[in-house]
Amino acid sequence: GAGVSQSPSNKVTEKGKDVELRCDPISGHTALYWYRQSLGQGLEFLIYFQGNSAPDKSGLPSDRFSAERTGGSVSTLTIQRTQQEDSAVYLCASSLVAQASTPGELFFGEGSRLTVL
Amino acid sequence: AQKVTQAQTEISVVEKEDVTLDCVYETRDTTYYLFWYKQPPSGELVFLIRRNSFDEQNEISGRYSWNFQKSTSSFNFTITASQVVDSAVYFCALNQAGTALIFGKGTTLSVSS
Repeated sequence: GAGVSQSPSNKVTEKGKDVELRCDPISGHTALYWYRQSLGQGLEFLIYFQGNSAPDKSGLPSDRFSAERTGGSVSTLTIQRTQQEDSAVYLCASSLVAQASTPGELFFGEGSRLTVL
Repeated sequence: AQKVTQAQTEISVVEKEDVTLDCVYETRDTTYYLFWYKQPPSGELVFLIRRNSFDEQNEISGRYSWNFQKSTSSFNFTITASQVVDSAVYFCALNQAGTALIFGKGTTLSVSS
């Protein structure tokens, strides 16, 4: 498809297990973001990839969270030893930065809903 | 540090009323970008507008209008003659070039018929 694709759409896991969430950005988009949205809450920034630059990891809530982006395209968000407070919708977005100085419009995926029992 | 404040958590209006959603931002940079996104009940976020810090002209798009005032660090969003389909969560966001987009906590708008 032409949009941002995320998988799985729903994930139920047990406390203490590791989970991986995948994001396929729009082809050609150089910027990729991960956000977390808890029930009734806003969008909490997690991590930002821009081209070949070092990612901005300042939003990751703990060292249990990590993300990588291979080949400048697909990204995986990994949560180790999941806790109940990790339950949320994890949203991925990508954008085309036409110029280095002009942030582009973000295109969001439908999100991965994570439930930790 | 960047910050976006949407003081209104929830707003309820009746169809055809006008409604303004407030957004106040904080940044130390002189070059920055402001955005509004809509999240309908279906969940997928939809881009509405982007405005850079050097363009204070107000913008109108159909029933939507935006009022950007640097003097008060505000970027307010007005919906004229609201409709039920406008019911959604609306997010204001801010960033500088090369940095992550930071969102406010959102305003939930409910429009009843």
